[in-house]
Amino acid sequence: ILNVEQSPQSLHVQEGDSTNFTCSFPSSNFYALHWYRWETAKSPEALFVMTLNGDEKKKGRISATLNTKEGYSYLYIKGSQPEDSATYLCAFRNNAGNMLTFGGGTRLMVKP
Amino acid sequence: GAVVSQHPSRVICKSGTSVKIECRSLDFQATTMFWYRQFPKQSLMLMATSNEGSKATYEQGVEKDKFLINHASLTLSTLTVTSAHPEDSSFYICSAQRGVGYNEQFFGPGTRLTVL
Repeated sequence: ILNVEQSPQSLHVQEGDSTNFTCSFPSSNFYALHWYRWETAKSPEALFVMTLNGDEKKKGRISATLNTKEGYSYLYIKGSQPEDSATYLCAFRNNAGNMLTFGGGTRLMVKP
Repeated sequence: GAVVSQHPSRVICKSGTSVKIECRSLDFQATTMFWYRQFPKQSLMLMATSNEGSKATYEQGVEKDKFLINHASLTLSTLTVTSAHPEDSSFYICSAQRGVGYNEQFFGPGTRLTVL
């Protein structure tokens, strides 16, 4: 059983605050690390697919980093807005196939 | 692009009945589709992987005779929960992958199943 963990489970921030959360995953047999943003009653939206150690990806105010040797990825949100409120999921894929193993998610709530 | 639909979004059924959930890729062809299940306050757990035209591969602990998966075309996969019982009540969500060389999985919005 692959262990993918996210912390914190939930986070409340004020509008304008910057925030970050963590995804930890197995450091062996790494293939890719996915980040998704999931709003209530909608489909999870793919944010990033990260494959190389040291990768840093950015999409607007959201960015992510990847350390495959130690098995963690950080997601950063700069200047949080109420519309950023969602659950952020990470998913690990090893090199044995195309199965994704998900973390439990971080639920972000941004107060206006 | 890369939109996946799922139908129905919510279903309530009586114990013993069967329920079919459809997952469609609307603007791309999906050689592989995945079915996940989420219990309250838990992660998405992969149930099975289906490839178009072949039998689904089920994860350990998932009963293939209870959860029938059909992937008859490159844009449609169905999950049928047969003889549903209250313990099958859960959130079911599908995802679709374009092909072997692609990393991304695109998700549907999910189906909430309640078995009375």
